[in-house]
This record gives sequence, structure tokens and C-alpha cells, in this order.
Amino acid sequence: EVLLTQSPGTLSLSPGERAILSCRASQSLSSSYLAWYQQRPGQPPRLLIYGASSRATGIPDRFSGSGSGTDFTLTISRLEPEDFAVYYCQQYGYSVEFGQGTKVEI
Amino acid sequence: EVQLVQSGAEVKKPGESLKISCKESGYSFSNYWIGWVRQMPGKGLEWMGIIYLSDSDTRYRPSFQGQVTISADKSIRTAYLQWSSLKASDTAMYFCARTRAAAGYDAFDIWGQGTMVAVSS
Repeated sequence: EVLLTQSPGTLSLSPGERAILSCRASQSLSSSYLAWYQQRPGQPPRLLIYGASSRATGIPDRFSGSGSGTDFTLTISRLEPEDFAVYYCQQYGYSVEFGQGTKVEI
Repeated sequence: EVQLVQSGAEVKKPGESLKISCKESGYSFSNYWIGWVRQMPGKGLEWMGIIYLSDSDTRYRPSFQGQVTISADKSIRTAYLQWSSLKASDTAMYFCARTRAAAGYDAFDIWGQGTMVAVSS
């Protein structure tokens, strides 16, 4: 079982600032099988990044993913008001697991 | 437009059975996997299992094996999540989602709107 630990639990920022979210896997993920999702209140998750760094269809370029092995990062270059939400990482190299989430709040 | 439409909210009593659905439109249903994800009130996402419609190959998270049944009817492009005896701890929002590619373990690129299941005596 590959577990994911996200940090921080909550990130308090202002619009226009940069957000850096971390996701650490309990063992190395081959071929960077790591995705990131955004979930706004009352909505289903939305895929942002897959393969650690590939943006999903329609995702703005202010969202970027990086990392390999056990350490991965989601960066939001300039926060827009609609970006304040909860973000989850997901590994799909060994079955599927989600991290516990990071809340980005104003 | 590719979309997954889930059945409506349910209110049930402990011990009752339930089957919720996830109907797709707009793509080749047979070539993808459909997964189910649980979100308990105020909590995170939990992967439950997946089914490949083409041959009904099904994989479960160990903690859900024997607790739920995932099935599909290819003829009506619908996947299902079923309980034979609900517990109060099954109270949650349940999402269905499509894998991005034809791989069982993959990211989910299309999500249903969610089905809220409330179990209370």
C-alpha cells in the first residue's frame, strides 16, 4: 500500500500570491503516476495534473506540477479567487490512493 | 459532451439494500474503466474500486471487498454501486469517475455529480 502525505494541511494566502502544495509518497512511484485534483465546495473533484506534470484539458497554465520518485509539488503561480479550494494528490502506480488534502484559503 | 450522470440522493435505514447508478454519454463506454470514490461528510476522497465495462473485470480496495458490489450493464452504458445491508457508517457522498485512459489504475478525468447516501434509523 502506497500512502500519500500532503502538506501543509491548510495554506492561508491572498489572491495574486503563489501557492506551493506538497505530496510525499511512502515509496517511489514508477513513471510518475501522480495526479492532482481541485475540489470546490459542493462540487466533484476536477483533474488538474496527471503524470506528475501534464496539465489536463482546459486547465490554466498557472497550475503546474513537478516532482518524481516520492516527492511531488503542485504550484499555482498567481491565485485567482476561484482557486481557493481543497486540493488532493492521487497515486495510481500501486492500486489507487488519495492524499488527505490541502485546503487553500483566503 | 462527455458526461457521467448519477442517480439521485437516497435516504435509507440500517439493514436496507441500495443500488446507485452512473450513466455515461458521449464516449465509448467500453474502452474505459469506471471507478467509485467515497467522500464521508467533511472528509477526503477514498477510492473504492473500479470496473472495466468491456469484460466486467472488477478490482476493489481491500477494505470495501465484500462490503459493496460494483457492476455494470454495457447495453445501457451504466455502472452501479450496490449494498446488501447498509450501515450508518455508509453515510457519504459517492462519486463515479472515468479513468483518463484505458488503464485500470489511472487518473480520473470525468466525474459524475455525486450521489448522497444518508443511512439513519
